[in-house]
Amino acid sequence: NAGVMQNPRHLVRRRGQEARLRCSPMKGHSHVYWYRQLPEEGLKFMVYLQKENIIDESGMPKERFSAEFPKEGPSILRIQQVVRGDSAAYFCASSGGTVYGYTFGSGTRLTVV
Amino acid sequence: DQQVKQNSPSLSVQEGRISILNCDYTNSMFDYFLWYKKYPAEGPTFLISISSIKDKNEDGRFTVFLNKSAKHLSLHIVPSQPGDSAVYFCAASGDYGGSQGNLIFGKGTKLSVKP
Repeated sequence: NAGVMQNPRHLVRRRGQEARLRCSPMKGHSHVYWYRQLPEEGLKFMVYLQKENIIDESGMPKERFSAEFPKEGPSILRIQQVVRGDSAAYFCASSGGTVYGYTFGSGTRLTVV
Repeated sequence: DQQVKQNSPSLSVQEGRISILNCDYTNSMFDYFLWYKKYPAEGPTFLISISSIKDKNEDGRFTVFLNKSAKHLSLHIVPSQPGDSAVYFCAASGDYGGSQGNLIFGKGTKLSVKP
């Protein structure tokens, strides 16, 4: 009865490297959402995906950020050429399609040095 | 352009007393509201919700009140316990919580309950 699994829990990258964050939704959930929490801020919506489809990416920065949710395997949030301002906690949530039962993972803390 | 505002960054109350956390919103299209609790180094966990067709929802020690005309909601915790110490986030959704899915969060209020 695993919940939403995110890995790694902590990720350190040098400026200019790529960061890959993974999210496995709860069993039976086919909708995945990514949020970012900057220091002293609330959670900001980034992207909403279903299997093989991006439904809403209105919160994604226009450059360097991409997300996918393939038919098999976890959802991936990819950040290319990371900068210090990308340092944040990234949370993934999954649901069956509505906010009822919307469940968050424990997050990945990205630190860019 | 914050659509969901939690104007108090922190709140301190004595164990056994009532904690009242407030939240304001600007978008009249929001029709479903949720409160999440977050401990350090963990993800947010769902606490309680309310739809816009109601003005009150109660679950044990937790009650959420919604004032649609004022675009204001509040979370009451009574009696407060030290284990309630956490950051509380207010979140809003349109479409009666339906397939839109994404939530709009406030910045959170850090509650400290002192023994």
